[in-house]
Amino acid sequence: QVQLLQSGPGLVKPSETLSLTCSVYRGSITVDIFYWSWIRQPAGKGLEWIGRIETSGSITYNPSLRSRLTISRDTSKNEFSLRLRSVTAADTAVYYCTRGWFTGGSNGMDVLGPGTRVTVSS
Amino acid sequence: QSALTQPASVSGSPGQSITISCTGTSSDIGAYNYVSWYQQHPGKVPKLMTYDVTTRPSGVSNRFSGSKSGNTASLTISGLQAEDEADYYCSSYKPGSPMLFGGGTKLTVL
Repeated sequence: QVQLLQSGPGLVKPSETLSLTCSVYRGSITVDIFYWSWIRQPAGKGLEWIGRIETSGSITYNPSLRSRLTISRDTSKNEFSLRLRSVTAADTAVYYCTRGWFTGGSNGMDVLGPGTRVTVSS
Repeated sequence: QSALTQPASVSGSPGQSITISCTGTSSDIGAYNYVSWYQQHPGKVPKLMTYDVTTRPSGVSNRFSGSKSGNTASLTISGLQAEDEADYYCSSYKPGSPMLFGGGTKLTVL
């Protein structure tokens, strides 16, 4: 079963850039039906979708984060990444990377990483 | 404000059935059968419970069932058990567009 492992700092200073990486094990990020996403969850609040990158390289962002956000991938390392610029306390959350699938007749998000708790504080 | 609307909380006694609603629009839930439900216990990673409105992943109890009518999707849990107490989130996928989540519903088993 595919496994997602997350890496990145748990503490980021205000106005700096939050960078997280998701390494994919026992699966390839270039398999056609899958896409790779980031979601986050502030403490005590609900899930917020951040964005996704598809096998084609197409990227879709949450409109509310688009101006500060970059999602990318490194197929040679089988990993994908999140960069969120100019962070504020409102970006403090647990960040999850996920695997989803879309086949034209089916969709779901079945594998999630363990989560990285990121705090924005000086 | 969440794009999909869920009740903040629902409750039920062991053995009873409960239903959680998730309301969207004719552009998302009403247009596609790409509705999923996730269960999240406190401090844990969300878990996929149903996808494509009605399909359960392998290993998910058949006490969990999904449905949809118009712009509203629903998750029904029958034969409530204490272990079902958790937060539940719906999501709607639309090709080429941002994914939407509901605000979440806290299920309390009385």
